Amino acid sequence: LAKTTQPISMDSYEGQEVNITCSHNNIATNDYITWYQQFPSQGPRFIIQGYKTKVTNEVASLFIPADRKSSTLSLPRVSLSDTAVYYCLVALRGAGSYQLTFGKGTKLSVIP
Amino acid sequence: GAVVSQHPSRVICKSGTSVKIECRSLDFQATTMFWYRQFPKQSLMLMATSNEGSKATYEQGVEKDKFLINHASLTLSTLTVTSAHPEDSSFYICSATGQSNNEQFFGPGTRLTVL
Repeated sequence: LAKTTQPISMDSYEGQEVNITCSHNNIATNDYITWYQQFPSQGPRFIIQGYKTKVTNEVASLFIPADRKSSTLSLPRVSLSDTAVYYCLVALRGAGSYQLTFGKGTKLSVIP
Repeated sequence: GAVVSQHPSRVICKSGTSVKIECRSLDFQATTMFWYRQFPKQSLMLMATSNEGSKATYEQGVEKDKFLINHASLTLSTLTVTSAHPEDSSFYICSATGQSNNEQFFGPGTRLTVL
């Protein structure tokens, strides 16, 4: 499973755009990139998933360069409620079991 | 989206007792369920993977005789922590995937405290 590296923590003011970059240098051809959000004492919540280029949903955008060795989660106009740990994962999707390996994550603190 | 529930949400027990945690997929059939453990200020660590009707596959270092997993139906998996000790105190989280295997849906977690 591809290992991921992301900043341990980030601070941001309310209303700003936050970009969290994740490195996954040994990503395999069939791996997908998935981001999860976790609040204290809760299970992780799916944010977004992508394979290449750009993916956008109502919550975030995911930018993946052509070499796929990194990805950037973009959260527009964060609020205090976005304070959480964000995990970047790469995993083989489909083909039976879809196993995830969680790294240390990025603790985002949104400041009023 | 798909919903996964866990019961109980928190449990406190005495050392030496066994505790059962249930994980249910409420609106989809979960062909595969996963069990994770998370210690304070740490990331989730996968404990085991279970497919309905077959034995669970445990990760290295996880004692299968201590953490009994049963996945008897497509909507229910149980984790039993046998003879629990204080070092087993942790946050236990389950997740499930449906037949498409495109996403893991996580439960809310169960906080286990062993006195």
